[in-house]
Amino acid sequence: GAGVSQSPSNKVTEKGKDVELRCDPISGHTALYWYRQSLGQGLEFLIYFQGNSAPDKSGLPSDRFSAERTGGSVSTLTIQRTQQEDSAVYLCASNLRGGDYGYTFGSGTRLTVV
Amino acid sequence: LAKTTQPISMDSYEGQEVNITCSHNNIATNDYITWYQQFPSQGPRFIIQGYKTKVTNEVASLFIPADRKSSTLSLPRVSLSDTAVYYCLVGSTFTGFQKLVFGTGTRLLVSP
Repeated sequence: GAGVSQSPSNKVTEKGKDVELRCDPISGHTALYWYRQSLGQGLEFLIYFQGNSAPDKSGLPSDRFSAERTGGSVSTLTIQRTQQEDSAVYLCASNLRGGDYGYTFGSGTRLTVV
Repeated sequence: LAKTTQPISMDSYEGQEVNITCSHNNIATNDYITWYQQFPSQGPRFIIQGYKTKVTNEVASLFIPADRKSSTLSLPRVSLSDTAVYYCLVGSTFTGFQKLVFGTGTRLLVSP
C-alpha cells in the first residue's frame, strides 16, 4: 500500500484481557518495527523484524508481549493479560532492508486499558 | 547507541527561521543523523537525514559540523502547521539494524 496501515486505530479493553494489534507495512519493505509511546513521552522500541531473520525482541517489556510477522508482510503485536500500564499508542514502522533510510510510521493504535 | 540531547521546547512566530540543535557527543563513525517530526495523534514523519556538512530538501536543512558532535535542523519561515515535536536520532545499520532510540524530542510551538 501507499503507507503503513495499523488497525484498530483505537482499542479500549478491560484489564486482564488479551489484545491484538495489526500492522500492514509498505509493500516491499522488509524491515518492520514496533514502538510504544506513552502520553507525552518519546518512543520506546519494542521489536524489530527483518526479512526471514529471527526478530530482535530486546525491547519487549515482559513475556505478556509477543509479535509475529507472517509471510514477511503483516505483523501482529499481541498483549496478553493487559495491565493499565500497557495503555499507550503502539506505532508500527517499516523501511527498506533496515537500511539508512527514514522509517515510515503508521498512525498508531491507541490502547486504553480500563 | 549514541545518546542525543535537544531542548525540551522552543517558541517561534510565523515567518521566522527556527534552528533546533541536537548534541550527540558519542556519535560513531558509521552513524547517520536523522530528524523526525510528529504531530499529535500521528506517527513520526521522516524529515531529513545526513552524515556530514549540509543537507537540504524541500522541507528543511540539516547542518552538521566537521566533528559531527552536534547537528542543527533549520526550518525556514515556519508556519502554524510546523507546530510539532521534533526528534533527533543517530544510528547506523552498518553493524546491524537501525534500532533508533527516540528521546522526548523538542516541542516547537509556532504562534501567529
